[in-house]
Amino acid sequence: DIQMTQSPSSLSASVGDRVTITCRASQSISSYLNWYQQKPGKAPKLLIYVATLLQTGVPSRFSGSGSGTDFTLTISSLQPEDFATYFCQQSYRTPLTFGGGTKVEIK
Amino acid sequence: QVQLVESGGGVVQSGRSLKLSCGGSGFTFTTYGMHWVRQAPGKGLEWVAAISFDGSNTYYADSVKGRFTISRDNSKNTLYLQMNSLRAEDTAVYYCGKDRHTVTTVEYWGQGTLVTVSS
Repeated sequence: DIQMTQSPSSLSASVGDRVTITCRASQSISSYLNWYQQKPGKAPKLLIYVATLLQTGVPSRFSGSGSGTDFTLTISSLQPEDFATYFCQQSYRTPLTFGGGTKVEIK
Repeated sequence: QVQLVESGGGVVQSGRSLKLSCGGSGFTFTTYGMHWVRQAPGKGLEWVAAISFDGSNTYYADSVKGRFTISRDNSKNTLYLQMNSLRAEDTAVYYCGKDRHTVTTVEYWGQGTLVTVSS
């Protein structure tokens, strides 16, 4: 199975900050990487698919980059509604696997 | 708009069975792959199973292979997860998901249904 490792596991940031979350795959997955956002008590929401493509309706302050084994989710200017947990997921092959999550908290 | 509504969760004893259902609306159900993804209390996401648009192909996590069965009834726009030989570690919120196309990306998620396995 492909292992996905996210870092950091948590971070504290202020509104307006630029935030970067990284995800590393245990083998090359080309660009088959998705990012999800989850708020407490809610279902996850797809933000970015195929590493860089923004899901419809997702604000442009979210962006994704990377290929191969190393990927990044960037929030260019953190907004109050962005405080949540973020998960990466490889879509290269089944079993689909998720990273452990990064909790973005208010500083 | 896409809606996915899970049902069938509850408290069940270890070793017993439970069947989850997920009704889909707001999209052409017969065209998309579907998923089950679970989340144990306070933990991360774990993909459980997926099924192709026509039910001809199914995929499972190793942790549930041989115990869980994913299926769909396209005439009823409904996805199922039959869970047998349940264990305490199967306790989780189970989410139903619609794929973007095949079986790689969960584009839309239901609200989830809680399964608690008691020993």
